[in-house]
Amino acid sequence: GAVVSQHPSWVICKSGTSVKIECRSLDFQATTMFWYRQFPKQSLMLMATSNEGSKATYEQGVEKDKFLINHASLTLSTLTVTSAHPEDSSFYICSAAGGVTEAFFGQGTRLTVV
Amino acid sequence: KQEVTQIPAALSVPEGENLVLNCSFTDSAIYNLQWFRQDPGKGLTSLLLIQSSQREQTSGRLNASLDKSSGRSTLYIAASQPGDSATYLCAVRVYSGYALNFGKGTSLLVTP
Repeated sequence: GAVVSQHPSWVICKSGTSVKIECRSLDFQATTMFWYRQFPKQSLMLMATSNEGSKATYEQGVEKDKFLINHASLTLSTLTVTSAHPEDSSFYICSAAGGVTEAFFGQGTRLTVV
Repeated sequence: KQEVTQIPAALSVPEGENLVLNCSFTDSAIYNLQWFRQDPGKGLTSLLLIQSSQREQTSGRLNASLDKSSGRSTLYIAASQPGDSATYLCAVRVYSGYALNFGKGTSLLVTP
């Protein structure tokens, strides 16, 4: 299968700071990228969908000004958690799709805000 | 809105047993269904992908079936091993290019 690389795999930041998470498709062009969040013992919940060169579409209840998504190229999407707070601590994972039926997932990022 | 339910939430079996994990979804109009494995603190490993026109897929000791009309899928694991211990997630895609809707997963523990 195709490879999606997500960095960092874990990050600890202070409350009030911003954190950027990168998601790269290494061997295919990702026309669409999805960002999910997973709280402990919960399922993955879709946060937003981004198409290359367009503004991201956010799911209901997800603050677009807090979770900034950029998908400027066909191989890179970034998620920036702005002014992070402890309640933003979670597991964030990206998924990339590009003209195939299957979406491929990154390794995920464990964010801890202290 | 598509809802995905997985039963049981947790399962503990002795090594060597065959087991079945269940997944149900509320809207039968799906594009495909995918089973994943997630190890603690890790990302997702895709196990099997079943297109809406297919009835089952097999990979090694794993077999996944799909009954779209009844909104059900099962993941069959033969001759379970301790290394199979993980959380298994079922996810459905409503349309091509859309995001996946995930169930909460079944946490599997296979004891030696």
